[in-house]
Amino acid sequence: DGGITQSPKYLFRKEGQNVTLSCEQNLNHDAMYWYRQDPGQGLRLIYYSQIVNDFQKGDIAEGYSVSREKKESFPLTVTSAQKNPTAFYLCASVGGRSLGTQYFGPGTRLTVL
Amino acid sequence: GNSVTQMEGPVTLSEEAFLTINCTYTATGYPSLFWYVQYPGEGLQLLLKATKADDKGSNKGFEATYRKETTSFHLEKGSVQVSDSAVYFCALLYSSASKIIFGSGTRLSIRP
Repeated sequence: DGGITQSPKYLFRKEGQNVTLSCEQNLNHDAMYWYRQDPGQGLRLIYYSQIVNDFQKGDIAEGYSVSREKKESFPLTVTSAQKNPTAFYLCASVGGRSLGTQYFGPGTRLTVL
Repeated sequence: GNSVTQMEGPVTLSEEAFLTINCTYTATGYPSLFWYVQYPGEGLQLLLKATKADDKGSNKGFEATYRKETTSFHLEKGSVQVSDSAVYFCALLYSSASKIIFGSGTRLSIRP
């Protein structure tokens, strides 16, 4: 089945450590997005990529980094510079010209201990 | 700039009640409008969309009409079920933009 997967589902990190969240899609979509969701709040855009080897900062990129070496993969690294990283992280992809129809992964819940 | 405003939740209703979740937007031109739903512990799913004024999007008994005169895209359902309990997000996409703008979400709880 085609879809978008995120791993792990739950992730625990000690303060000062970098951690990488995985996002993979087999939908052949060009564009991929990373969002952060805090309890009771909406989604905030961290980074997005419209094509391989290219990506742009979203609204809250500080303390995060990404890479897009393959069309299928868009990993997000939460660095030690991110002061409040505990949140629910969602990855999404979009195909074709219908940018509003985003396909979301199941999310990764990151907790800093 | 472009923005989306949703009614604050939580919204609690009894089963079979009528549902309205308000959404208004600010945008220049003619954005496309969307409703997404997020069930507990999951990612978002597209529920319905409308791409031009007076369009009505519908899915799973939910409906929303793109009203340009009132800049609104209110979500409605005639008879809600317990399984409709979720968080609902209104969103817009401006035609020349490469990213979608989400509202803050409205949590809906349905009592049996």
